[in-house]
Amino acid sequence: DVKVTQSSRYLVKRTGEKVFLECVQDMDHENMFWYRQDPGLGLRLIYFSYDVKMKEKGDIPEGYSVSREKKERFSLILESASTNQTSMYLCASSSPQGAGDTGELFFGEGSRLTVL
Amino acid sequence: AQSVTQLDSHVSVSEGTPVLLRCNYSSSYSPSLFWYVQHPNKGLQLLLKYTSAATLVKGINGFEAEFKKSETSFHLTKPSAHMSDAAEYFCVVTYTGGFKTIFGAGTRLFVKA
Repeated sequence: DVKVTQSSRYLVKRTGEKVFLECVQDMDHENMFWYRQDPGLGLRLIYFSYDVKMKEKGDIPEGYSVSREKKERFSLILESASTNQTSMYLCASSSPQGAGDTGELFFGEGSRLTVL
Repeated sequence: AQSVTQLDSHVSVSEGTPVLLRCNYSSSYSPSLFWYVQHPNKGLQLLLKYTSAATLVKGINGFEAEFKKSETSFHLTKPSAHMSDAAEYFCVVTYTGGFKTIFGAGTRLFVKA
């Protein structure tokens, strides 16, 4: 069964702390994504990666960075957490179907982050 | 600009009655269309997808959707709702020729006993 695993389901951090959210997929997918989900705002793309060591900014990259050192792992980093980064974070992966088409997305269970 | 509109933010049905969740999209290209379901504090799970094959698509848990190009719609239906169907549903569109996925705002489905 295909799987995207987010290592932390629930985290509580303090303002200013550095936060790592880890995501691992076992489907050998080229593309990986980080979204955040907030009530009334839907899913918003933070960063994505289409290859190892490659990254692209999404719609709301400010305050975040990412790392993709291995194909199966895509990490989201909050260098200095702030209260407005309290949210549900969803990782997803996909395999390209054609010229730039993202195809079906496979999601992890989500990481709910609370910043106090 | 490409967009996805889920016409209802909330839908409430009684158990055993039909479900209709509506989705319209705007497109300049040939889209791939998906419906995902999200239960509380969970990730999104694929219900079904349309990728230019049959216009009537069958998914998991008895859901199906019909792609109507003339109406630019991809409505999700189920003949008989079950309590376990209570969740949030997202219509999602991806476009060929561009690295772009667009999510609808979501429709929360309530199922009454």
